[in-house]
Amino acid sequence: QLQLHESGPGLVKPSETLSLNCTVSGGSIRSRSDYWGWIRQTPGKGLEWIATIYYTGSSYYNPSLESRVTISVDTSKNQFYLKLRSVTAADTAIYYCARDHGPVRFMDVWGQGTTVTVSS
Amino acid sequence: EIVLTQSPGTLSLSPGERAALSCRASQTFTSSSLAWFQQRPGQPPRLLIYDTSIRATGIPDRFSGSGSGTDFTLTITRLEPEDFAVYYCQQYQSSPRTFGGGTKVEIK
Repeated sequence: QLQLHESGPGLVKPSETLSLNCTVSGGSIRSRSDYWGWIRQTPGKGLEWIATIYYTGSSYYNPSLESRVTISVDTSKNQFYLKLRSVTAADTAIYYCARDHGPVRFMDVWGQGTTVTVSS
Repeated sequence: EIVLTQSPGTLSLSPGERAALSCRASQTFTSSSLAWFQQRPGQPPRLLIYDTSIRATGIPDRFSGSGSGTDFTLTITRLEPEDFAVYYCQQYQSSPRTFGGGTKVEIK
């Protein structure tokens, strides 16, 4: 059974970089039919797709965040990653990783989410 | 970007009743690229429906999706206690994918 698990600091200072890991278990991140994505949820903006990556490294970004975001993958560790630079309080959110069916498809298996607070 | 507007914001119903949730898009869809998710408190979103009307694996048949163009509906026949939650629609007609603001189905 495919499972995803997010990890990373729960508190990040303003202007710093938010870094999160997603570990995939019960399946291979090299699956040719799967992509892997990050989504966040805030009380104000709701659910927001951030970025998606394929195991080859092909990546897709939400234009609203693209200038600050990098998504990457390490197939040897069955993990993928999110970096969000120059964070502000507006980036405080629950961050989810998920299995994606493509950059213009849907996400069907989600991690439990990790709460990240941006505060000094 | 496509904006999805869900209505009503809150639906107050009793167990056993039927729920109809609306999702309206700001642009006409040329494909069936709409999904529905359920989110219970403290849980991640759970995929219910994709491609407008296809139930995801393990989803009971009391959940059904329909619609086309700009108007889409999630119907839950005979609400069970575990169905009281927040529901979101999500479009993948075009990038960036976007979500609606959600409809909360609460116990009356």
